Amino acid sequence: QKEVEQNSGPLSVPEGAIASLNCTYSDRVSQSFFWYRQYSGKSPELIMSIYSNGDKEDGRFTAQLNKASQYVSLLIRDSQPSDSATYLCAAALIIQGAQKLVFGQGTRLTINP
Amino acid sequence: GAGVSQTPSNKVTEKGKYVELRCDPISGHTALYWYRQSLGQGPEFLIYFQGTGAADDSGLPNDRFFAVRPEGSVSTLKIQRTERGDSAVYLCASSLSGHNEQFFGPGTRLTVL
Repeated sequence: QKEVEQNSGPLSVPEGAIASLNCTYSDRVSQSFFWYRQYSGKSPELIMSIYSNGDKEDGRFTAQLNKASQYVSLLIRDSQPSDSATYLCAAALIIQGAQKLVFGQGTRLTINP
Repeated sequence: GAGVSQTPSNKVTEKGKYVELRCDPISGHTALYWYRQSLGQGPEFLIYFQGTGAADDSGLPNDRFFAVRPEGSVSTLKIQRTERGDSAVYLCASSLSGHNEQFFGPGTRLTVL
């Protein structure tokens, strides 16, 4: 099993709807998780981090962590065309006192006007 | 404030040549990471610096790859005898310490002909 797995998509959602992105992880990684947004030809941009079981909300974004089921999700409410991008789930792998990130392959999201 | 900067933004070289890629982290960030991203994949960890020392270089693919950070700020990733398989986007990230959120630079797109 890969350490972090995502459905590559593409995921297509109508404008104004809720986009739901999911990610599962293995026992090897720690309990720190991050969602990055990556526009085509650009570098990853951090949008959410979550460390505790449950939900964390920031504007239109909600990250959810379920440690028992080993999954983390990102919900985008009121989806806008500008949300169209690849979303990367990352988990921290603690090595020698520092966390390196292990990424999933990313889910490509398209918001249709 | 200024984010992570990387130069050059694009580098085209011939097989067998030597290249250097530069990263300037966010001011005050002690931790610096190099990742490599191939098309359609998430970034893959290469090396991590805490201060001047390479705390974890387990992701470097072979001994043609080397990185330095002599003064604890700017880092240079060096690739000797480049191969076509080295073509990718090389991303640099920095964080306040080894346990904080990582912020990425714009990347260097390396093409080996």
